[in-house]
Amino acid sequence: EPEVTQTPSHQVTQMGQEVILRCVPISNHLYFYWYRQILGQKVEFLVSFYNNEISEKSEIFDDQFSVERPDGSNFTLKIRSTKLEDSAMYFCASSEVSELNYGYTFGSGTRLTVV
Amino acid sequence: AQTVTQSQPEMSVQEAETVTLSCTYDTSESNYYLFWYKQPPSRQMILVIRQEAYKQQNATENRFSVNFQKAAKSFSLKISDSQLGDTAMYFCAFKAGNQFYFGTGTSLTVIP
Repeated sequence: EPEVTQTPSHQVTQMGQEVILRCVPISNHLYFYWYRQILGQKVEFLVSFYNNEISEKSEIFDDQFSVERPDGSNFTLKIRSTKLEDSAMYFCASSEVSELNYGYTFGSGTRLTVV
Repeated sequence: AQTVTQSQPEMSVQEAETVTLSCTYDTSESNYYLFWYKQPPSRQMILVIRQEAYKQQNATENRFSVNFQKAAKSFSLKISDSQLGDTAMYFCAFKAGNQFYFGTGTSLTVIP
């Protein structure tokens, strides 16, 4: 079964550093998403991406964050100048269509630890 | 505002028994879908079951079924004949537009 692949599975970074979280969505999917889950809290929407541009973003997704699809397969989340509170599990997801009844396929997540 | 509430942070069930995970939500949307996702120790978020808000009939997928009470805004998940592989975190989610809203999850442990 097709999977969404995320790398690395765990990243530790120093506060103030930049990190790039990588995702390879399912090949025929057109819609891409990032969600995050702070430990013990709910999974929260960050951003959706379609046709090489952001289609929707949450209040969490401020200027510190950016997304990119640098080639035909990767979808990246960049966090500039990381803060301690950015420590979380970050999930990438993709979907073939944006219809309401369509569930996403999520990756296994990248655990980001900012020290 | 859309909110999803899972009031049971942890639950356990004996293997082969039945367990029900509760979920309530709040929304002003008229058109939406509800989902249950499972997150096993592998951390992959796996879609378990989905329910259309306009359908009264409760969705069923093998051992998994839901009890959808639209007026009460309740969407519980019933797992029948629990198996060890059902041990996971379960997230209730509500989808309006192109965005999911998740609950805080219920950690389910199936005891052999």
